[in-house]
Amino acid sequence: ETGVTQSPTHLIKTRGQQVTLRCSSQSGHNTVSWYQQALGQGPQFIFQYYREEENGRGNFPPRFSGLQFPNYSSELNVNALELDDSALYLCATRTTSWEDTQYFGPGTRLTVL
Amino acid sequence: AQSVTQLGSHVSVSEGALVLLRCNYSSSVPPYLFWYVQYPNQGLQLLLKYTTGATLVKGINGFEAEFKKSETSFHLTKPSAHMSDAAEYFCAALKPSGSARQLTFGSGTQLTVLP
Repeated sequence: ETGVTQSPTHLIKTRGQQVTLRCSSQSGHNTVSWYQQALGQGPQFIFQYYREEENGRGNFPPRFSGLQFPNYSSELNVNALELDDSALYLCATRTTSWEDTQYFGPGTRLTVL
Repeated sequence: AQSVTQLGSHVSVSEGALVLLRCNYSSSVPPYLFWYVQYPNQGLQLLLKYTTGATLVKGINGFEAEFKKSETSFHLTKPSAHMSDAAEYFCAALKPSGSARQLTFGSGTQLTVLP
């Protein structure tokens, strides 16, 4: 158990819809990263938030957006869902942006029909 | 840009046999390196990491890995496989400096342990 929680566990949406995924960080962790893990692949970095500001982004389009709140919990929002967005979405937290070890949550499985 | 290659998407071993999972990295600067394990329908659990210092790193559940700069490798081993080791294993790299550092993962190796 890492202390990182994600909700919901599973989600089914249809193409074109919007979705919000949530992550509660481990106590004292002010940095959160989001990853997309497609079936049979390794996780791909989406973006990172440090103290409520985005400070790193991978090769994902702007319809992937996020928020980090004062308590360091975080949201990942995806607009205009596409079939290829079906994946396991993982959040990972750490004590600071410079810390090298990330602690992963259990993930949210998103299915887009 | 850094990349991570895991040789062998599927590895099968007999219970009690040696486990060897291969990982090579490509980076202009030697990165920090990690091995994570993922059980079905779960998130990633850190097995071990290499940052600096001793190149042979011991992790949880009897796993260890050795950083070899000359070979740009970080292979994961365990002397004797157990049925509970069956899972997917990911090698990952992290730039050693900077604030916006993200993990770059390999594509994973599915380990099957045969009775």
